[in-house]
Amino acid sequence: NAGVMQNPRHLVRRRGQEARLRCSPMKGHSHVYWYRQLPEEGLKFMVYLQKENIIDESGMPKERFSAEFPKEGPSILRIQQVVRGDSAAYFCASSSNPGAYGYTFGSGTRLTVV
Amino acid sequence: DQQVKQNSPSLSVQEGRISILNCDYTNSMFDYFLWYKKYPAEGPTFLISISSIKDKNEDGRFTVFLNKSAKHLSLHIVPSQPGDSAVYFCAASGSTSYGKLTFGQGTILTVHP
Repeated sequence: NAGVMQNPRHLVRRRGQEARLRCSPMKGHSHVYWYRQLPEEGLKFMVYLQKENIIDESGMPKERFSAEFPKEGPSILRIQQVVRGDSAAYFCASSSNPGAYGYTFGSGTRLTVV
Repeated sequence: DQQVKQNSPSLSVQEGRISILNCDYTNSMFDYFLWYKKYPAEGPTFLISISSIKDKNEDGRFTVFLNKSAKHLSLHIVPSQPGDSAVYFCAASGSTSYGKLTFGQGTILTVHP
């Protein structure tokens, strides 16, 4: 029973390029959360999605960031025109129902913008 | 606005002794609290949680205490082991927030043999 799978583990992008981060939830989980951890800080909530729906995107920056969780396939966090300040670790978590707080995190994608 | 705070960036403890990690929160709407453990280059791992209707929850070597009037929670690890060395995050959530968690900044625990 595979856990939450994130890929790539490491991603290097030049300023202005696009970054696509993928998250495959645990089998049977239809709820996905994305968090970002900036250097020396705790994790910050970005977005909560169910299949084909964005439920809460209150933590997403207003521009350049978008997320989706299609009916088939992984959840995608997309960052357009990346800047140095986007360099961070991005973690995805999944659960089988909302409010199941002790959910499982993936190992994260470490994005470095050069 | 830091709604969940861990004021100690680091803690060093001798193996076999008790480790006490502290966390304060400001949002009265929080009613569920969790502790996560994180090793470098890995995702956080859920450790233990507590609902606001309780003041203590115990799981093996780990005990979480909640003082609602002080808006304070703590994690006790006893006895501490070198394998417990990691970053510990406390997190909080409200019942209407769909499982969305607000994390503290983390405390680096080092347990010396």
